[in-house]
Amino acid sequence: DIQLTQSPSFLSASVGDRVTITCRASQGVNSYLAWYQQKPGNAPNLLIYVASTLQSGVPSRFTGSGSGTEFTLTISSLQPEDFATYYCQQLNTYPYTFGQGTNLEI
Amino acid sequence: EVQLVESGGGLVQPGGSLTLSCAASGFTFRDHYMDWVRQGPGQGLEWVGRIRDKANSYTTEYAASVRGRFTISRDDSKSSVYLHMNSLRTDDTAVYFCTRPKTGATRGLDVWGQGTTVTVSS
Repeated sequence: DIQLTQSPSFLSASVGDRVTITCRASQGVNSYLAWYQQKPGNAPNLLIYVASTLQSGVPSRFTGSGSGTEFTLTISSLQPEDFATYYCQQLNTYPYTFGQGTNLEI
Repeated sequence: EVQLVESGGGLVQPGGSLTLSCAASGFTFRDHYMDWVRQGPGQGLEWVGRIRDKANSYTTEYAASVRGRFTISRDDSKSSVYLHMNSLRTDDTAVYFCTRPKTGATRGLDVWGQGTTVTVSS
């Protein structure tokens, strides 16, 4: 199975900060990588797909980049509603896998 | 409104069986693959499996942790997908989410249900 490693696992930041989360794959996944945001008690919400395409309705402060084995999710200016857990997922090779998550907190 | 609603969760003993259901509405169900994802208590997300559409012969894929114990099926006439779980173990305890992949199958899961909780315990 393809392992996805997110860094950092925990990130403390403030409103207005620019933050970057990295997702590294144990083998290449082309650009078939998605990012999700999950708030406590809720289902995840798709933010980015095929590495860099913004899902409809997601604010433009979220950007994704990368291909192959290294990917990043950047939030340009943190808003209060952005404090959540973020997951990457590869959809290149079955079984699909998720990263362990990055908990973004104040 | 596009919606997925799971049901069927509950408490089951180790070694037991349970079937989860997911009712879809607001989109053409038969044209979409469907996935199941689970999340253990305080844990991250784990992809469980996928069922493809009729055009792709309803074929399935599974995570190694559930292969041979779990089976995904669907009934397009009822716009429903099912997760049949056998030989349940304590580490199958989780919230189970029904999800819809975006068209193209490799572009992420854009619709999620609210989840149903399965607890495996004696």
